[in-house]
Amino acid sequence: TQLLEQSPQFLSIQEGENLTVYCNSSSVFSSLQWYRQEPGEGPVLLVTVVTGGEVKKLKRLTFQFGDARKDSSLHITAAQPGDTGLYLCAALRGAQKLVFGQGTRLTINP
Amino acid sequence: ETGVTQSPTHLIKTRGQQVTLRCSSQSGHNTVSWYQQALGQGPQFIFQYYREEENGRGNFPPRFSGLQFPNYSSELNVNALELDDSALYLCASSSSRVNTEAFFGQGTRLTVV
Repeated sequence: TQLLEQSPQFLSIQEGENLTVYCNSSSVFSSLQWYRQEPGEGPVLLVTVVTGGEVKKLKRLTFQFGDARKDSSLHITAAQPGDTGLYLCAALRGAQKLVFGQGTRLTINP
Repeated sequence: ETGVTQSPTHLIKTRGQQVTLRCSSQSGHNTVSWYQQALGQGPQFIFQYYREEENGRGNFPPRFSGLQFPNYSSELNVNALELDDSALYLCASSSSRVNTEAFFGQGTRLTVV
């Protein structure tokens, strides 16, 4: 059983559409991170959310941490082909171990 | 500022062989973590090194071992390779033992045949 469940696993939409991907758990986390990984590259940190209910914006990307700190969502407005990639959520377990979800593979078609 | 670099980028090995993967941490970072990412999955934590000592280990057998050097670069060694060891191996460096902000290298793609 995955500690972090991401949905959907695959998403293919047209340029200009909006989308939301989810990261859910039954556990409570002190913080949660979102990464984007492109083919042949390592994950790149997009954002860390810390406070329950927190909303952070990064250009067209909006990240929200659930009130109970068990889940998070990533909303992309007016998706562009450059948004294509694998989106991973991750949480810290203990001081040093990042636990990742299985990822959402997003494809934006021109 | 130099980022995290890993070598080699690709590697093919035969089952039963041994492999060493290398990672140079970002300038100023004293902590290196290693992750295994199987195809279609998220990365899984192997272990972390802080100031040349192992500082936490995931659910991997002892044939996965590592080293960290005085310059904070690191090696991951895998003995008795199995087909299931085929994966992308990622190294991440951070400025402290608490991975609040980890910077990943591009990874080493290992194929075991």
